[in-house]
Amino acid sequence: DQQVKQNSPSLSVQEGRISILNCDYTNSMFDYFLWYKKYPAEGPTFLISISSIKDKNEDGRFTVFLNKSAKHLSLHIVPSQPGDSAVYFCAASARNYGGATNKLIFGTGTLLAVQP
Amino acid sequence: DAGVTQSPTHLIKTRGQQVTLRCSPKSGHDTVSWYQQALGQGPQFIFQYYEEEERQRGNFPDRFSGHQFPNYSSELNVNALLLGDSALYLCASSLMQHEQYFGPGTRLTVT
Repeated sequence: DQQVKQNSPSLSVQEGRISILNCDYTNSMFDYFLWYKKYPAEGPTFLISISSIKDKNEDGRFTVFLNKSAKHLSLHIVPSQPGDSAVYFCAASARNYGGATNKLIFGTGTLLAVQP
Repeated sequence: DAGVTQSPTHLIKTRGQQVTLRCSPKSGHDTVSWYQQALGQGPQFIFQYYEEEERQRGNFPDRFSGHQFPNYSSELNVNALLLGDSALYLCASSLMQHEQYFGPGTRLTVT
């Protein structure tokens, strides 16, 4: 049962344009969402996160939008740069309040290629 | 400030053997989680250690076990290796509720 889904295996965008990566989830207990970027031969790098009490979070060129009613989130990268080319993973968790960090459930990833 | 480190980088083992992977968390982090990433898939949660105890466990058999030391570093042990255990093993560290930071991973090949 895939609780976090990234239905687009790949995405190609021109440099300077907007990249939009999508993610859907099925578990209504998830209340914290994260995006990670992964280059080959490296571990995932944390990019940005959002709590379910918000619908938008921005950090520089990266913005994450959360639509709880649709159980959908998206990552916008503006403007896209060739160095952004990597695999992007969406992850979700149901946070334990007062305890240790909860486990992350990952999607299968989207390969973003930014063309110069 | 050193990030999460893992050793070894690569490892080749034979079916039936045992393997130990090591992880040192980011400075100041007290929680270590282990993930398995098969080719073309997202990381799958194996288990998590906090205060030297296993706090959460994913859907992995008992052949997978671990340990956390007083300095928060951790080991992942896999017994009776199967071909299907070939994967990238990722360690992530965190502090309480915050985001998890990943190491570069250990690439395990079982032949």
